[in-house]
Amino acid sequence: GIQVEQSPPDLILQEGANSTLRCNFSDSVNNLQWFHQNPWGQLINLFYIPSGTKQNGRLSATTVATERYSLLYISSSQTTDSGVYFCAVRGGQGGSEKLVFGKGTKLTVNP
Amino acid sequence: KAGVTQTPRYLIKTRGQQVTLSCSPISGHRSVSWYQQTPGQGLQFLFEYFSETQRNKGNFPGRFSGRQFSNSRSEMNVSTLELGDSALYLCASSSQGIDIQYFGAGTRLSVL
Repeated sequence: GIQVEQSPPDLILQEGANSTLRCNFSDSVNNLQWFHQNPWGQLINLFYIPSGTKQNGRLSATTVATERYSLLYISSSQTTDSGVYFCAVRGGQGGSEKLVFGKGTKLTVNP
Repeated sequence: KAGVTQTPRYLIKTRGQQVTLSCSPISGHRSVSWYQQTPGQGLQFLFEYFSETQRNKGNFPGRFSGRQFSNSRSEMNVSTLELGDSALYLCASSSQGIDIQYFGAGTRLSVL
């Protein structure tokens, strides 16, 4: 099945810093999503981005499907950005495969 | 629109017991997926239902089962609980044609 690797596994920032999180996947996908899991366990969908670039406030994401990677950019980080960021992908014909999650990047933003 | 609702939020069981978790999807969503999250294994896919039919199944033993009702609500059942079943169980729903997963707050199961 499809493999998903996220890097770095851990990231510690000072408030106001920028960061880039990476997601590599092993096969072609028709679905790629970025999620943020807060300290209480709630997973929030950030982007649905099987290809191209999207922006939402201080967050943006780019997926280069032909090279099998996606990047999540966080600018001017805030303490509320802390948590774990997951990339999840689905491949197969018409999205027939299961959604596979990476192991996540744990982000800590210090005041 | 109400989000995905999972009940109960917390559950404590002992080994050998069985448990049933419930998930109510966002109104109009017909697809429901279940995931298990543990510190060691991360987020692992359990199963996916669409219009009362199981569409996909992960690599879990037969003790884990699920179903979906005609109103799209879903339940998952774990029989003969083991210590290793302690985890956060997450449910997600999505609408037909737009495969964006919306997650509930989860059920945290502790097996003693």
